[in-house]
Amino acid sequence: DAGVIQSPRHEVTEMGQEVTLRCKPISGHNSLFWYRQTMMRGLELLIYFNNNVPIDDSGMPEDRFSAKMPNASFSTLKIQPSEPRDSAVYFCASSVAGTGELFFGEGSRLTVL
Amino acid sequence: AQSVTQPDIHITVSEGASLELRCNYSYGATPYLFWYVQSPGQGLQLLLKYFSGDTLVQGIKGFEAEFKRSQSSFNLRKPSVHWSDAAEYFCAVGSTSGTYKYIFGTGTRLKVLA
Repeated sequence: DAGVIQSPRHEVTEMGQEVTLRCKPISGHNSLFWYRQTMMRGLELLIYFNNNVPIDDSGMPEDRFSAKMPNASFSTLKIQPSEPRDSAVYFCASSVAGTGELFFGEGSRLTVL
Repeated sequence: AQSVTQPDIHITVSEGASLELRCNYSYGATPYLFWYVQSPGQGLQLLLKYFSGDTLVQGIKGFEAEFKRSQSSFNLRKPSVHWSDAAEYFCAVGSTSGTYKYIFGTGTRLKVLA
């Protein structure tokens, strides 16, 4: 079975550019989470969706960040404009709501120069 | 507010030695509790979880954890560590209110000496 698929795995961009990270959750999972991992702040929940609807986006740092889930099999996290402090590994995870187990993708490592 | 504390940032043990990783949580009721493991360059993988019932839970790779309500703790243990256990370990708490929001601790990096 395919796990959570994230793309790109690595992204290097310049400050001010738009960055789009993509995630395909596991088929049948109805919850999707975006996390950001840095050495300084650890693993931070940015936003999560239930049945494609954003439930809690209180972790989104600022208006430069936006996330969408147009259907059950696809989600994007967009940063516009990007800044060096956005450099981090961004993880997508999916779950069947209530089961308690998150399945993580391998992450997208973003470097903003 | 929910929070998870992992007091040990780094732990080093010798192969074959026993291991205990500490986790304390703050939550208004009994939460869902989890331990995840992250190998370098990888995403997180669930080791075990506690929802209710028996306070000693068994997980994959020979790990176990014990929920102690009085101490608000959920420590992870393994009787004999293997070199392949070197990784970062995260404790997490999940809401039981139906919002399914998971909060992770800052992680403990385990180094195993041959």
